[in-house]
Amino acid sequence: GNSVTQMEGPVTLSEEAFLTINCTYTATGYPSLFWYVQYPGEGLQLLLKATKADDKGSNKGFEATYRKETTSFHLEKGSVQVSDSAVYFCALSVAGGTSYGKLTFGQGTILTVHP
Amino acid sequence: EPEVTQTPSHQVTQMGQEVILRCVPISNHLYFYWYRQILGQKVEFLVSFYNNEISEKSEIFDDQFSVERPDGSNFTLKIRSTKLEDSAMYFCASSDRGLYEQYFGPGTRLTVT
Repeated sequence: GNSVTQMEGPVTLSEEAFLTINCTYTATGYPSLFWYVQYPGEGLQLLLKATKADDKGSNKGFEATYRKETTSFHLEKGSVQVSDSAVYFCALSVAGGTSYGKLTFGQGTILTVHP
Repeated sequence: EPEVTQTPSHQVTQMGQEVILRCVPISNHLYFYWYRQILGQKVEFLVSFYNNEISEKSEIFDDQFSVERPDGSNFTLKIRSTKLEDSAMYFCASSDRGLYEQYFGPGTRLTVT
């Protein structure tokens, strides 16, 4: 089956520090990969996506590259801000058969950024 | 910007009672989903719905669960006889293309006592 593994959290950083949140996956088929973010009291928001190998998704200073050879999709940001404090979820979906985009999520990583 | 809305934000119910969680997806979307997250655990897929029928469901989505799109705007999840282990945050999502971006609502926290 499909699964996503994220690095254990929580992650605590100072403002302007470099962020990496690791994500690896296993999938039957060729997945699309996503990072979702959940700010306190809100729903999940799509942060970025990549649909094929070597694609780089980017948004709001965050980046992640689809690495098929290492089955990874690590999230990075060069300089975090206090406003980036949230829970980050890595996810995948695999097309085919009767699948209509079911997302498989990692366990989520809590990020706290201090001033 | 269009958004998915869910009501209520928090529902408390007694074991054995029926609950209906409501969602209003984005208006031009065609694919609808329910997920849940038990406290401290992963977000789990429950069911997807397209063209007025269930397209896929997980093992969690047993006979106690049902979904409906009763009109052109609402999408509901019904749990017929709630159990303690149904306590979770339930998220509704919608998509216009099925395989790519899904837009999530803020969730309904269901507490079964």
